[in-house]
Amino acid sequence: DIQLTQSPSSMSASLGDRVSLTCQSSQGIGNYLSWYQHKPGKPPKPMIYYATNLADGVPSRFSGSRSGSDYSLTISSLESEDTAIYYCLQYDEYPYTFGAGTKLELK
Amino acid sequence: EVQLQESGPGLVKPSQSLSLTCSVTGYSITSNYWGWIRKFPGNKMEWMGYISYSGSTSYNPSLKSRISITRDTSKNQFFLQLNSVTTEDTATYYCARWEGYSGPFDYWGQGVMVTVSS
Repeated sequence: DIQLTQSPSSMSASLGDRVSLTCQSSQGIGNYLSWYQHKPGKPPKPMIYYATNLADGVPSRFSGSRSGSDYSLTISSLESEDTAIYYCLQYDEYPYTFGAGTKLELK
Repeated sequence: EVQLQESGPGLVKPSQSLSLTCSVTGYSITSNYWGWIRKFPGNKMEWMGYISYSGSTSYNPSLKSRISITRDTSKNQFFLQLNSVTTEDTATYYCARWEGYSGPFDYWGQGVMVTVSS
C-alpha cells in the first residue's frame, strides 16, 4: 500500500500566520492527492483535489501544491475557523490511503 | 442539493455482521462513485471501498472477504456489510460521493458511530 506521511502531526499557530502542512508519498501518485478538513461532530470537508485544485466553496486563503512526491496544503492567513485535523488522501492506486493527519490549533 | 444519510445500529456484537445504509437524495447513485470511509478512535482514517455508477465495486484488501457494498437503485440507497466484526471495527462510518479522478469525495453523510462490544 502507498504510505502517506503527514507532518507535523500537530501544530499551533497564531491568527494571521501563514501555515503549511505537508504530505509525503512513499511512491509516485502523480497529482492524485486530495486534502480534507475534519472538525469534531462534522463530516470531513474537501479542501483540495488533484493536488492543486480548490474544492467548491473553499476560501481562497487555502492552496495546494506539489514538489515531486511532497504535497503541501497552505493557509495564507490563519483564521480561527481553520482549527481542525487535516488529512491527505491518495487516490492513484488501490487501496486509497489516508495520511495520519495534522492537528492544527490556535496558539 | 445532494444529501447523504447513514443509518444502522450503533452497537454490534463481536463476530456478528455490521450493516449500514446510505440514503442519497438530490442525485442518482447511477452516476459517479459511492464509497464508505471510516474513522477510528485515535483519528486514523480508512477508505473501505466503493460501488460505481455501473454497480461494480472496489474494496480495501485489508478487509479481505469481510466486506460487501451493494445498492438499491430504486430507493437510491447503497449499503455496507462487514462480516465477523471485532472490537477493532469500532469507528465512525461515513458514506460519501466521489466524482472519480476529476474530483474529491465531495458530499458526505454526517457519519454513524458503531461500537463493537459484547
